Amino acid sequence: GQNIDQPTEMTATEGAIVQINCTYQTSGFNGLFWYQQHAGEAPTFLSYNVLDGLEEKGRFSSFLSRSKGYSYLLLKELQMKDSASYLCVSMDSNYQLIWGAGTKLIIKP
Amino acid sequence: DAGITQSPRYKITETGRQVTLMCHQTWSHSYMFWYRQDLGHGLRLIYYSAAADITDKGEVPDGYVVSRSKTENFPLTLESATRSQTSVYFCASSERLYNQPQHFGDGTRLSIL
Repeated sequence: GQNIDQPTEMTATEGAIVQINCTYQTSGFNGLFWYQQHAGEAPTFLSYNVLDGLEEKGRFSSFLSRSKGYSYLLLKELQMKDSASYLCVSMDSNYQLIWGAGTKLIIKP
Repeated sequence: DAGITQSPRYKITETGRQVTLMCHQTWSHSYMFWYRQDLGHGLRLIYYSAAADITDKGEVPDGYVVSRSKTENFPLTLESATRSQTSVYFCASSERLYNQPQHFGDGTRLSIL
């Protein structure tokens, strides 16, 4: 079957670094997205990985290992506004998206 | 401003009623999608459309109807609403299916009493 696993909730401190892990089982894997969703708002695109390795975009980086079915989102220099849910999303062979339930990240001062 | 807009933002209705959620995008994206989001679940695809007059079922299409007579509009209709359809509904669009993020509207919070 097709599945996404990510932690339900994480807590981190303002100014620190946090890594949100995601494992996936996707037939005909065609890439992995990360989205951010603030409470009561729409998901917004953060990153896309299709090849192994690290993609850096400002304070956010995303890593992919296709052989391990594993990705992580790394957030540096955490700010209070980073409190949100982070959605791990894989794409299958039919270009359909499989959405994880999201990791709620709580930032404490 | 260019973007994707949904209406209404909030809707309360009763079981058995028909309700239509509207979605309009100004990017001329080919693909449009309807999702529902429920607590504890990832977004679930209801229907999607590759172009005007081309629609296809997603993961949870039962009880829903869509149409796409114009590229920019993609309404979702609940023909006879049920309580299980209480949810937050998101419309999204993208230029193509692969290697492209989807861009989301602000959502419609639908409550069925």
